[in-house]
Amino acid sequence: AQSVTQPDIHITVSEGASLELRCNYSYGATPYLFWYVQSPGQGLQLLLKYFSGDTLVQGIKGFEAEFKRSQSSFNLRKPSVHWSDAAEYFCAVGDSGGSNYKLTFGKGTLLTVNP
Amino acid sequence: DVKVTQSSRYLVKRTGEKVFLECVQDMDHENMFWYRQDPGLGLRLIYFSYDVKMKEKGDIPEGYSVSREKKERFSLILESASTNQTSMYLCASSLRTEQYFGPGTRLTVT
Repeated sequence: AQSVTQPDIHITVSEGASLELRCNYSYGATPYLFWYVQSPGQGLQLLLKYFSGDTLVQGIKGFEAEFKRSQSSFNLRKPSVHWSDAAEYFCAVGDSGGSNYKLTFGKGTLLTVNP
Repeated sequence: DVKVTQSSRYLVKRTGEKVFLECVQDMDHENMFWYRQDPGLGLRLIYFSYDVKMKEKGDIPEGYSVSREKKERFSLILESASTNQTSMYLCASSLRTEQYFGPGTRLTVT
């Protein structure tokens, strides 16, 4: 069964600093990978996705993520964090070989941005 | 843009009540999902549906049922609400793998 681990429950960064959120997955083949963001009291918004091809993917709001098969990782990065990036971030893996399109989510990383 | 709407943002119900949470999507998506979200536990799949009148149990279906009579609407039913069902409930839809989420319903059972 597929699984996702987000090792960091809570990260605090200063505004303007760089950010990297970690995600490790377990899946037998090449997975579909996603990062979602959730602002307080809101639903989840898709930041970016990886299906195949270029392992560095660009998303909305200046985020990017890199798929590294050898490390089973899909870390999210941003070069300069803005106060509005404070939110909870979820990594998810999808079944590329399945037919029901379920996603398995990590438990999330809460990002706090200090002024 | 895909839009997923949920009938209520906040809901307060009493123990033992029958509760209906409604979700509607406007993009003709085949798949629809109900999750609950609790602090420290992330998102857990309750039920999903891949076609009208078709449903499959997710990871935590106990105490819940669902209904999908029309393609655009997916309802979550709590037959007899209990306090341990107090949670944030998120609905999502998808054509393939990428899921689109509604704003969530914060349900409190007292």
